[in-house]
Order: sequence, then C-alpha cells, then structure tokens
Amino acid sequence: DTGVSQDPRHKITKRGQNVTFRCDPISEHNRLYWYRQTLGQGPEFLTYFQNEAQLEKSRLLSDRFSAERPKGSFSTLEIQRTEQGDSAMYLCASREETGELFFGEGSRLTVL
Amino acid sequence: GDSVTQMEGPVTLSEEAFLTINCTYTATGYPSLFWYVQYPGEGLQLLLKATKADDKGSNKGFEATYRKETTSFHLEKGSVQVSDSAVYFCALLSYSGAGSYQLTFGKGTKLSVIP
Repeated sequence: DTGVSQDPRHKITKRGQNVTFRCDPISEHNRLYWYRQTLGQGPEFLTYFQNEAQLEKSRLLSDRFSAERPKGSFSTLEIQRTEQGDSAMYLCASREETGELFFGEGSRLTVL
Repeated sequence: GDSVTQMEGPVTLSEEAFLTINCTYTATGYPSLFWYVQYPGEGLQLLLKATKADDKGSNKGFEATYRKETTSFHLEKGSVQVSDSAVYFCALLSYSGAGSYQLTFGKGTKLSVIP
C-alpha cells in the first residue's frame, strides 16, 4: 500500500493519559498536514510540516498537543493529559510541492 | 478568515435522481476549490477540483464550476447511484503565509441514495 498510513486506527484512553499517533506519508511527499474531525463537522486544520520544519500551527493546537516530523518522513502527534473534548478523528494528509492532498484513514481517539 | 459553507444534510435521493449540493466560500485572494468524498469506513478522497474562475472540475459524473462572481462551487450529478452514498466536503486551498497553504473544509453533506 503506497498511500498515507496512520496508526493506531482507534485508541481508547482514560482522561489524563497521554496518547501518540503516527503518520507515514507517501514517500515522495514533503508536505504533511494534521487535521482533526469531530462528528458532523468537516476536518479542521491543526498543523503543517514542510520536510521537518513545522511551518504553521492552528490555535486549536493547545499546549497539550505537540507534533514532530524529525527526519522529514513520518510524523507523530502527541496529546498530553487527554480530555474528553479531545475525542475526535485525527487525520493526516500529505502532498508534493504542488498537487493533490492525499489523506490517511485517520486515527479515532475516544477519551473516557 | 477563509470559510466554506455548504448545504446541510442529510440528503436522501432515489437512484437516478439529479443531485445538487451547494457550496459557497469566503476567501481573500484566489483560492483553489475542491470537493472531497468520504465513503463509509474510508478516508477522504479528492473528487474534483478547480483552480481558477470559470474552471469546471469533473470526475465520475460529478461536476462543479468555479463561480467567482457568486463565490460558489456547487456540486452536481445528473443521475446518482447507490454507490454514491457518502459524505461530501467542499474545501478551499489558500495561502496562509510563511510558505504554508491551508485547506479549509465545509461541514460536509451526507448523501444517501436509495434503490
């Protein structure tokens, strides 16, 4: 499979725990995006990487959220001290310098 | 900031009916416009796009025309099939500074097509 892959697909955690999601973009894509999608809403932009540089962060990304792309390939999104409001689908997408944005199937987070 | 407004669903149609899903946008500059589709249990997929005014995007029988004068990008299909049942998202791509381009999505419209 040469698409964008995300892991895990579903994570259930208790409030206050930390969780980490991983995204493996399409190999030649240097642009990587994270989005959050809640029920009945469209995806909301969280953050954007060009290679290993994090160029933009949404105000939605509170201090409890951190994203990295250390070698310009895979990326991780960590949420510390999870809250019930963090329950959502976290989507990763990648693209080349120009062109279509390809999305992964998402990582669904449920915070109990 | 940039925003996208699309008609609320759900929309239920009989097979072979005509489909229109309205989408309007607010943006500075000249964004590119997209329709994405999300089939049950799958990720978002690009359905069609248009990069400048009066462009028409088309794919799988779906069409949408970039109308700058009405800031709209309505999705249409002449004859829907059961397999078209999905959630459809209108989106715009705009430059947000510092070399960053950002996709802004509408809330999505769920389409159900019944035989």
